[in-house]
Amino acid sequence: SAVISQKPSRDICQRGTSLTIQCQVDSQVTMMFWYRQQPGQSLTLIATANQGSEATYESGFVIDKFPISRPNLTFSTLTVSNMSPEDSSIYLCSAPGQVNTEAFFGQGTRLTVV
Amino acid sequence: RKEVEQDPGPFNVPEGATVAFNCTYSNSASQSFFWYRQDCRKEPKLLMSVYSSGNEDGRFTAQLNRASQYISLLIRDSKLSDSATYLCVAEGTYKYIFGTGTRLKVLA
Repeated sequence: SAVISQKPSRDICQRGTSLTIQCQVDSQVTMMFWYRQQPGQSLTLIATANQGSEATYESGFVIDKFPISRPNLTFSTLTVSNMSPEDSSIYLCSAPGQVNTEAFFGQGTRLTVV
Repeated sequence: RKEVEQDPGPFNVPEGATVAFNCTYSNSASQSFFWYRQDCRKEPKLLMSVYSSGNEDGRFTAQLNRASQYISLLIRDSKLSDSATYLCVAEGTYKYIFGTGTRLKVLA
């Protein structure tokens, strides 16, 4: 299994500002995933973060809004840029234990934009 | 059509009941499937993997039907503590696709 530490656990931010969320994995993983979960809904994949290359974004998500860093095999950040109230959501990072096995999650970041 | 579809529920069942959830997936190339449990305001946690031969863990049984492209989760002897949202997950091309989740409420 993988243990993932995510921070901050929650934040309240002013519109127009940016927030960077960090995830630290206790082992080296090739891919990390960033999800958004809006109230009452399931997880939507934002992007896949690969070490040494640009992140791969899903339809509807762009790098300018959600820049991602992946400086090494145990760490990644997601920035939510120029926030608006519509960005209020839970953001989760995830990493697989091994190839094609279950995914493990960080504790989530509950973001409220006011 | 969504890649992974589930009945959102809620399923309200009495303690001790048996309840079953189904989930359909659209990508016939998917190889790995999972059920996750998510409690309110918490991150999803793995409940069990779903193997071609089926998988049983105590009161929980998961089945995979590749021909019809669905997976199922059976919970026997429901407990109050089973109340949660159950997420069906199919592995896509180097990523995991989540269903919308099925809410279960076990009533005393």
